[in-house]
Formats: sequence, C-alpha cells, structure tokens
Amino acid sequence: DAKTTQPTSMDCAEGRAANLPCNHSTISGNEYVYWYRQIHSQGPQYIIHGLKNNETNEMASLIITEDRKSSTLILPHATLRDTAVYYCIVRVYNQGGKLIFGQGTELSVKP
Amino acid sequence: DTAVSQTPKYLVTQMGNDKSIKCEQNLGHDTMYWYKQDSKKFLKIMFSYNNKELIINETVPNRFSPKSPDKAHLNLHINSLELGDSAVYFCASSQSSGPFTGELFFGEGSRLTVL
Repeated sequence: DAKTTQPTSMDCAEGRAANLPCNHSTISGNEYVYWYRQIHSQGPQYIIHGLKNNETNEMASLIITEDRKSSTLILPHATLRDTAVYYCIVRVYNQGGKLIFGQGTELSVKP
Repeated sequence: DTAVSQTPKYLVTQMGNDKSIKCEQNLGHDTMYWYKQDSKKFLKIMFSYNNKELIINETVPNRFSPKSPDKAHLNLHINSLELGDSAVYFCASSQSSGPFTGELFFGEGSRLTVL
C-alpha cells in the first residue's frame, strides 16, 4: 500500500503557482520523497525528489516539513501542459526501483 | 531517440491467446521494470530485472513471464490471456537497483485489450 495521501484533484489558474500537498506521516528516516507525474496516456515522468532539505530543479520545487511528515510540490508558473496526475511516492530505501504509486492528485490548469 | 521504447503500443486479442510486449532502453541502464496500470489508473510494479537477473517479482500469476535477453531488453510474455489482463503495461529503466537507484524512465505504455 502507498504510504502517502494526496487530494484527489486540484485546479490552478494558468501562470499561477500550483501547490500540491502530500502527507506521509509514517515515513522512515532513510526514505526519500519522490514526485512523478503522468500526463494523459503517457508514461510517468520524474519531477523531483528529496530526503530532508528543500529541493529545486528546472521543473519544480519540493518543500519537506521539518518533521518530514508532509511535503509540497510547487510548480512556480503552471501552464496548460502541466495538467496531469501528480504522484507523491515514499521510496522504500532498500527496495531500489520499486515505486508504490497511490491514486495521485489530478491537477487541472485552467486558462 | 526514444529512451525507453515499447512495442506494440496497442494490442487487441482474444481470451486464451498468448502475446508478448517488447521493451528496449538505450540509456545504458542496468535495471528494467514492468508496471501495470489497471482501469482504475493504479500503477503497480510487476517485475524488475537487474543485469538480466530477476530481483522483484510481485506475486504476478505464472502466466506472466518476463525475459531479459540482455540488460537493454526486457520482454513480457503473457500466456492464456484473461479479461482481467486488460491494462496498460509500462516498461521502465533505472541506472541501478540499489538504495540510490535514481529516477525511473518510463516508456509510453502498451495498451492491452482482451476480448
């Protein structure tokens, strides 16, 4: 079972920041938080990951709370092409590439 | 060049038939995976191979048999297809299978419909 809970759906206006929350209250000390997204009918796409510190890359920022029980993915200037299902995944440390996907958040970016 | 490519993209077949889906990655990765996405959109891992060796087998029926002829290829053969096998099957690869596996790169999926 997935160790994360996310809202089922969210809307965001084009050009605004999209903030996608994720709860992972049972996360262990050596487990990473990963974010992937799946644009309709395509394969999942890696976005970002982090352990404790906040992370930023060209796609997004990841804010992890100090107690690591929740995190937020931020898309700073959402575009229509960011409409997708966003998955927050706690990566089991000793199980390599095994990603346990939950239901994700369906983000709709509207003009 | 597509990093992870799967063929066929669409497959429609009758119950009881045997079919295969092929996957190839040109990223030089050591580890490859098969994931299944059912009609409710849940993505679930089925198998993982590292350098042609099976390392993850998630209680998938014996009718599913992955084969890895080399580390760049991981094929999925399904015997005696059932209606419940209808799904989108995604192949993926990663640099390694250890604790610091890094990101997974997914293919575009193969949509299997069993009639």
